[in-house]
Amino acid sequence: DTAVSQTPKYLVTQMGNDKSIKCEQNLGHDTMYWYKQDSKKFLKIMFSYNNKELIINETVPNRFSPKSPDKAHLNLHINSLELGDSAVYFCASSPWAGGYEQYFGPGTRLTVT
Amino acid sequence: GENVEQHPSTLSVQEGDSAVIKCTYSDSASNYFPWYKQELGKRPQLIIDIRSNVGEKKDQRIAVTLNKTAKHFSLHITETQPEDSAVYFCAASIRSGAGSYQLTFGKGTKLSVIP
Repeated sequence: DTAVSQTPKYLVTQMGNDKSIKCEQNLGHDTMYWYKQDSKKFLKIMFSYNNKELIINETVPNRFSPKSPDKAHLNLHINSLELGDSAVYFCASSPWAGGYEQYFGPGTRLTVT
Repeated sequence: GENVEQHPSTLSVQEGDSAVIKCTYSDSASNYFPWYKQELGKRPQLIIDIRSNVGEKKDQRIAVTLNKTAKHFSLHITETQPEDSAVYFCAASIRSGAGSYQLTFGKGTKLSVIP
C-alpha cells in the first residue's frame, strides 16, 4: 500500500490557468506538508497542517492556497499559474508536528508553459 | 533566519571507498536531524536520523554523528556501491514562527560512486 500518494504525477498547463494537486496519507499521521523542489533540487517548505489546522505558512504567493478537509488529506490549489511555478511539488506527512520523521509522496512535476 | 549549510555540493568516490557529507545548523534548540536520499526522479527517502541526546547512530553501512556544541552533524557511508549514487539531503528541526518546529533542509549533495 502506498503510504503517501499524490495526484497527478505530471501536470502541464499554460500560464494563467488554475490547477490543484491532491495528497493523501494512510499512515494515521497528524501532520502534513507541502514542499517545492526547484530545478536546483532545493527543498523548500511551503505549508504545514496539523490536524486540519494551518501551522506553517512560509512566504509563498497568495496564489497558492492549501486545504485540508481531514487529517489524511492535504490539497494544494494554485491560481493564475506563472512560469516560475514550474517545479516538483512534494507532499509529506509526519506523526506529529515538529521534530519527527517525515515521509514524502512521489511528487507532482508541474510544468507551466 | 535559521538555516542548514551542507557540504560538499558534489562528491565523487570510487566504489568501495567511504563518503562523508557534513552539515551545520544555527538553531541551538534543534533536536532532530534526519538524512534523506533522493534518486533521480524519485521522492526523498529517509535513510537515517539522530536526536540531540545521541552522539552517533549506525545502520549497516551508514552512520550519522552529531556534535551539538559545534552544531554540526555528518553522514558517513562506508564501502560505497554504485546504487548509493543519489542526492543526499540533511535536515534539522528548526523553530518556526508558529512556536512549533519544522524541518529545514540543506541544499543537497550529489554523490556519484564510480564502479
